[in-house]
Amino acid sequence: DAGVIQSPRHEVTEMGQEVTLRCKPISGHDYLFWYRQTMMRGLELLIYFNNNVPIDDSGMPEDRFSAKMPNASFSTLKIQPSEPRDSAVYFCASSYRVDYGYTFGSGTRLTVV
Amino acid sequence: DQQVKQNSPSLSVQEGRISILNCDYTNSMFDYFLWYKKYPAEGPTFLISISSIKDKNEDGRFTVFLNKSAKHLSLHIVPSQPGDSAVYFCAASVPTGTASKLTFGTGTRLQVTL
Repeated sequence: DAGVIQSPRHEVTEMGQEVTLRCKPISGHDYLFWYRQTMMRGLELLIYFNNNVPIDDSGMPEDRFSAKMPNASFSTLKIQPSEPRDSAVYFCASSYRVDYGYTFGSGTRLTVV
Repeated sequence: DQQVKQNSPSLSVQEGRISILNCDYTNSMFDYFLWYKKYPAEGPTFLISISSIKDKNEDGRFTVFLNKSAKHLSLHIVPSQPGDSAVYFCAASVPTGTASKLTFGTGTRLQVTL
């Protein structure tokens, strides 16, 4: 298995533009998580899905953020419009359990200028 | 509200010495704790875990200690090696079945010097 695959690895965009981050989880994992890493808050959970259904989106910072999982092998995290304070590394992780066995992707480093 | 706290953002240790990384938590419902290791430009990877029914778990050079009364856990690395230089995150979860998920700390950057 190739692991959790995220794209792009790096994204630089101008303030106000739409940004879409993509994730392919490990086949057979029923849970998919989106995290954001910042110096102040560490690894912060944004949203997670179970069997393609959003379960907990309480970590999504505001309405500018949205996430979808149209099928078991693909998820997107969209920011529209993007702001400089959204600059961070965004990780996707998948697991066969909600509380254990997370496998993380390599992350997307987002820079909003 | 940060339920899992790593108060030391960085730590520098000489090769061969012991590295001790600390983690405090506030939620008394947490019953399973994990440590993840993260190298630059990579995602975090699982390192070691401990259940709340234990106070120690050892795996090679890595030992995790849990003090439930103090709501504190620590990761000991002995002896430290240059390849251990990374960011270490502690994480915790409440009992399975409550639809919970891992809560991570802010991370501690460990630098092992020659």
